[in-house]
Amino acid sequence: DAKTTQPTSMDCAEGRAANLPCNHSTISGNEYVYWYRQIHSQGPQYIIHGLKNNETNEMASLIITEDRKSSTLILPHATLRDTAVYYCIVRGYGGSQGNLIFGKGTKLSVKP
Amino acid sequence: NAGVTQTPKFQVLKTGQSMTLQCAQDMNHNSMYWYRQDPGMGLRLIYYSASEGTTDKGEVPNGYNVSRLNKREFSLRLESAAPSQTSVYFCASSEAGMNTEAFFGQGTRLTVV
Repeated sequence: DAKTTQPTSMDCAEGRAANLPCNHSTISGNEYVYWYRQIHSQGPQYIIHGLKNNETNEMASLIITEDRKSSTLILPHATLRDTAVYYCIVRGYGGSQGNLIFGKGTKLSVKP
Repeated sequence: NAGVTQTPKFQVLKTGQSMTLQCAQDMNHNSMYWYRQDPGMGLRLIYYSASEGTTDKGEVPNGYNVSRLNKREFSLRLESAAPSQTSVYFCASSEAGMNTEAFFGQGTRLTVV
């Protein structure tokens, strides 16, 4: 089973920041938080991942709380092309723990 | 750079027919995965291969077999297709370890009638 809880859907206005929350209260100390997105029915696309510290790349920022029980993915200036299902995944190490287990994700709709 | 390539992209099978879905990656990754995605659902792991020569069951392995032919290729076989196996199938690959991203193919859309 997925180790994360996400809202089913969210809306965001084009040009505004999209903040997607994720709860992972049972995360272990050596488990990473990953974010992927899936546009239409394409293959999932990697966005970002982190362990403890906040991370930023050209696509997004990842904010992880100090207790690591939740995180937020931030798309700083959402565009219509960011409309997708966003998956928050907790990933461990070794054997099946290293696999990506997907939940149902958050369907983000970016509106003009 | 092709990444992860799946063939075919679309397939229609009759109940009881067999087929093999092919997946190849050109990134020299050790780990490869097969997922299925049903309408409105997230991806579910069918089988994975942590390294060449090894395969293990995921969440939903029943009705499927896999072969890690070499480091590049990981195939998924349906021996006797059933309508419940109508789904979109995704292959993925990654380096070993938990600090690495996985790359996904564009999917195979399979309909069993």
